[in-house]
Amino acid sequence: QSALTQPRSVSGSPGQSVTISCTGTSSDVGGYNSLSWYQQHPGKAPQLLIYGVTERPSGVPDRFSGSKSGNTASLTISGLQAEDEADYYCCSYAGGSTWVFGGGTKLTVL
Amino acid sequence: EVQLVESGGGLEQPGGSLRLSCAASGFTFSSYAMTWVRQAPGKGLEWLSAISTNGGDTFYADSVKGRFTISRDNSKNTLYLQLNGLRAEDTAIYYCAKKTPGALKPFDYWGQGTLVTVSS
Repeated sequence: QSALTQPRSVSGSPGQSVTISCTGTSSDVGGYNSLSWYQQHPGKAPQLLIYGVTERPSGVPDRFSGSKSGNTASLTISGLQAEDEADYYCCSYAGGSTWVFGGGTKLTVL
Repeated sequence: EVQLVESGGGLEQPGGSLRLSCAASGFTFSSYAMTWVRQAPGKGLEWLSAISTNGGDTFYADSVKGRFTISRDNSKNTLYLQLNGLRAEDTAIYYCAKKTPGALKPFDYWGQGTLVTVSS
């Protein structure tokens, strides 16, 4: 149950696009279409952003999109806005009704 | 409106025990699997444990297996996490979360968390 690998930080200017990667193994990310992304603002609880690799819950802007290739998933945020500055975590089913999170990525909007 | 409210955190000595609670409202609690996730200070999220709708099936991360016990009382709409043999590295905010139905579905609602501090 090793944590998924995410970059520690990414940054972008308002209006730009950024992509956050999430790398696992064939036993988690690559093995299931379960990859989800959570956004967490400082001092707040995580909020679901993307699930099932590409699906957005109602209310999540379409500026947020997800994809996956092999053992690596990605979250792309287009048209960056100041309020997107937060920590982002990926999460994958890992078999046996267990789950694993990524280490988290801090997004800074310049 | 779905609400999850954790309680029971606090300061505990190494080796001690705590029982965390998560009071659920705004949905049919007995119809949803639930989970616990923690976050150490300044660190990332760590999945800890999950429980089926009727409590008959429980699952744990290796890091807490044998020390933590998840349970639920559907008559009280409450989820629990019993923490035994506490260690300094268990210091974290503990979140409960509701799971969307389906084996591969995500955790769609989270509580605000309760802070557990393990220190002598």
